[in-house]
Amino acid sequence: AQSVTQLGSHVSVSEGALVLLRCNYSSSVPPYLFWYVQYPNQGLQLLLKYTSAATLVKGINGFEAEFKKSETSFHLTKPSAHMSDAAEYFCAVNSGGYQKVTFGTGTKLQVIP
Amino acid sequence: ETGVTQSPTHLIKTRGQQVTLRCSSQSGHNTVSWYQQALGQGPQFIFQYYREEENGRGNFPPRFSGLQFPNYSSELNVNALELDDSALYLCASNGGIEGYTFGSGTRLTVV
Repeated sequence: AQSVTQLGSHVSVSEGALVLLRCNYSSSVPPYLFWYVQYPNQGLQLLLKYTSAATLVKGINGFEAEFKKSETSFHLTKPSAHMSDAAEYFCAVNSGGYQKVTFGTGTKLQVIP
Repeated sequence: ETGVTQSPTHLIKTRGQQVTLRCSSQSGHNTVSWYQQALGQGPQFIFQYYREEENGRGNFPPRFSGLQFPNYSSELNVNALELDDSALYLCASNGGIEGYTFGSGTRLTVV
C-alpha cells in the first residue's frame, strides 16, 4: 500500500519569504515521489520528481525537494516566494512501474504582497 | 503532437443520465490514466489503460468504464450519473517514473 500525507491544507507566506510545503509518504517498496502544481481551473503540472538518483531534486520555477528516507519525507521548498507561486500543490507517490499514482489532499499556497 | 487534450471542458448533466468524456494523449504514450478530483480534494485514481487493456482500477463502481484506442485517444464513460459524480475529471498519459502529463480536465456538474 502507498499513501502520502500533506501537512497543512493552507499555507500563507509573504512575497520573498521561504516556501516550505510538507509531505510524508508511506510505501512498502522504495518509492517514486512527485510534486505537482495546479492553477485554478487547470490540470496538474509536474514540478519535480524523485526516482532514487540524487536525494535533492531540483524542479521548475525554482522549487526543490529533498528525499529523506529516515523521516519518510519529501518536503517542497523555494527560497523566495513569488506572487505567481500562488496555487495548489500536490505530493504524489508511485510504488513502481506503471502502477497508479496516489495523490495527497493538496496544500493551497497563498502569497501575500 | 505534444500534450494531452480533453473535451469538453465543461459539461452539465442530469442525474441518471450517461456521459462520455474524451482524451487525446501525447503520441507514443501507451498508458492513460483517469482521475476524479472532487472540489477541495486531491485526484482519485479511477483506472488505467495500457495498450487498450485496463490494467489497474481504483475504488470506483462498474458504472465507470473506459476505452483506449490505437490512436492514443481514450474515453471515460459514466452511467447512471449521481450528484456525487460532480467533479473535475483528469486524463493523464504516460506516468511511471517519468510522471504524468495531465490534460486540463473536464468539469462535470450533475444536477
